[in-house]
Amino acid sequence: QSVLTQPPSASGTPGQRVTISCSGSSSNIGGHTVSWHQHLPGTAPKLLIFNNNQRPSGVPDRFSASVSGTSASLAISGLQSEDEADYYCAAWDGSLNGLLFGGGTKLTVL
Amino acid sequence: EVQMWESGGGLVQPGESLRLSCAASEFNLSTFVVTWVRQAPGRGLEWVSGISARGDTIYYADSVKGRFTISRDNSKKMVFLQMNSLRADDTAVYYCARAWYCDLWGRGTLVTVSS
Repeated sequence: QSVLTQPPSASGTPGQRVTISCSGSSSNIGGHTVSWHQHLPGTAPKLLIFNNNQRPSGVPDRFSASVSGTSASLAISGLQSEDEADYYCAAWDGSLNGLLFGGGTKLTVL
Repeated sequence: EVQMWESGGGLVQPGESLRLSCAASEFNLSTFVVTWVRQAPGRGLEWVSGISARGDTIYYADSVKGRFTISRDNSKKMVFLQMNSLRADDTAVYYCARAWYCDLWGRGTLVTVSS
């Protein structure tokens, strides 16, 4: 069971804005930066967000993220069919001395 | 193209060993932290281990501690994951990734542990 808690599923229609939450604790999200990763089965996962809210080059600005206390969230605006994928939050945990991933959220574009 | 890739996966019996390798192109893997992450069938991503660029800082998940060993050969620009005493629940696709926060991922190699 992941220490970072995400909803197992989310959905939206094309053009909508959806958010995915990630809840942790002071030893991970509360004390270390958060990253978000997009994964389509059978492919290499892709970094969407690092350092809480920074986008690597090439990631559209439709993807944004924020952190507040021990929780993080990923927002996807202008939802597109190609956004249908699994999304994972991740943060270092200073108590476990390891990287924690959330359980993943499967995003469906209706 | 900047990319990473894994090799060495396969089918083994419980208790056996396997060594995975990670390599990269278009950047010098020797200067980066490398992280191993796995995904069991139907499950989410699970961090396995990480090693600093010089190999002097190493971390393991509790689930593999004492059985898996991460190492690197910077002269060959490769990182390895030696997996011993494999169990059925180690069955997964294993990914190597760059940096502690995984800014670049490989496509994974499948490890199946079954009798």
